[in-house]
Amino acid sequence: EVQLVESGGGLIKPGGSLRLSCAASGFPFSKYWMSWVRQAPAKGLEWVGRIRSKSDGGTTEYAAPVRGRFTISRDDSENTLYLQMNSLKTEDTAIYYCTRIQYCSGCYAFDIWGQGTKVTVAS
Amino acid sequence: DIVMTQSPDSLAVSLGERATINCKSSQSVLSSPNNKNYLAWYQQKPGQPPKLLIYWASTRESGVPERFSGSGSGTDFTLTISSLQAEDVAVYYCQQYYNSLRTFGQGTQVEIK
Repeated sequence: EVQLVESGGGLIKPGGSLRLSCAASGFPFSKYWMSWVRQAPAKGLEWVGRIRSKSDGGTTEYAAPVRGRFTISRDDSENTLYLQMNSLKTEDTAIYYCTRIQYCSGCYAFDIWGQGTKVTVAS
Repeated sequence: DIVMTQSPDSLAVSLGERATINCKSSQSVLSSPNNKNYLAWYQQKPGQPPKLLIYWASTRESGVPERFSGSGSGTDFTLTISSLQAEDVAVYYCQQYYNSLRTFGQGTQVEIK
């Protein structure tokens, strides 16, 4: 079964750091680009960033609100995606979803989603 | 960034009736090399993660019921539920993947009238 399972969320004070993990199973993780999407309480979806497969350069891109504070990385040997979050702000409070990006030429939608992990930034 | 604007914000439709959601992008998401619209639709039910319904504006994801269809090109897109079922109550989002900085619409809540 294709699955993504996030972990690492919790309550953190403003200015603090947190690292989220996403364990992938049921598909060849190393081949896929992966992404993080977040959803603030009672709000819509917000793209956080993306990492390409290593065969495509392994490069990353980030949304403006998190650029310079968040870092996405991957460990293909462990089939795990990470999101390192530094200098956290109250507005980073959200459910963070790990997503898989489709593996086909020219299609880049998010076809698999994890259940999400909740991050609360509050003093 | 490409801004995605959905309308309406919410709609109530009777069971078995048609539901139509619109999505407008601030610039074209049509890719010239392959003539594909880089636009997806997602469904999010309460307490669940989003689920991919449609990509390339009109291609149904595997396993998605035929009552869901997508149309449009360039900057204007529509998601249609041809005959609303009780299990379709959800928030629906459009999303562009034309620009490397992905963006979502604000969401449309679909309810039963």
